[in-house]
Amino acid sequence: SQQGEEDPQALSIQEGENATMNCSYKTSINNLQWYRQNSGRGLVHLILIRSNEREKHSGRLRVTLDTSKKSSSLLITASRAADTASYFCAPGRGSARQLTFGSGTQLTVLP
Amino acid sequence: DTEVTQTPKHLVMGMTNKKSLKCEQHMGHRAMYWYKQKAKKPPELMFVYSYEKLSINESVPSRFSPECPNSSLLNLHLHALQPEDSALYLCASSQVGLNNYGYTFGSGTRLTVV
Repeated sequence: SQQGEEDPQALSIQEGENATMNCSYKTSINNLQWYRQNSGRGLVHLILIRSNEREKHSGRLRVTLDTSKKSSSLLITASRAADTASYFCAPGRGSARQLTFGSGTQLTVLP
Repeated sequence: DTEVTQTPKHLVMGMTNKKSLKCEQHMGHRAMYWYKQKAKKPPELMFVYSYEKLSINESVPSRFSPECPNSSLLNLHLHALQPEDSALYLCASSQVGLNNYGYTFGSGTRLTVV
């Protein structure tokens, strides 16, 4: 299994601003997934980008994937206080069902 | 139904107790997972079940015993735990395939071992 490493570890922004989080990983992947976790709760799947895709959008979320650099970014536009959470990337590899998570980015959106 | 339901939400147990965590989903997912999460850390994979068979055990101590009685249910039996086993235990499910599906997580069981 492999895991991603998120950067930055913590991010604090004002409501309405954009938030960008980065993820790097080490080996080849089949897809890369992003999850959100509110404090003490379960993870919520946000978006999955396949290895042959470069960019994907879902509402206020924009994910990019650069397989040559083994990196991905998650952009949240027009952030809201409700976006305050931890965000984890999870590189998915083939049929191996060993999805592992990086250390995460703690996003705080100030009202 | 698009949820994974975990019970109980909170559990306090002594080191000599035996307890079980329960996880249920009715989405037709044939892969189910147990994760353990300590405070301010990412979830760590413990077990993977695929078509009701244990396919991955991430070197978890035998005091944790998983069971998948049918395609909708996943249990985690706990016995002789240590205080350091206190954590949030998360269950998840997904479709089986080329790992091109997101996981659906339950809200977790907050376990405290005293």
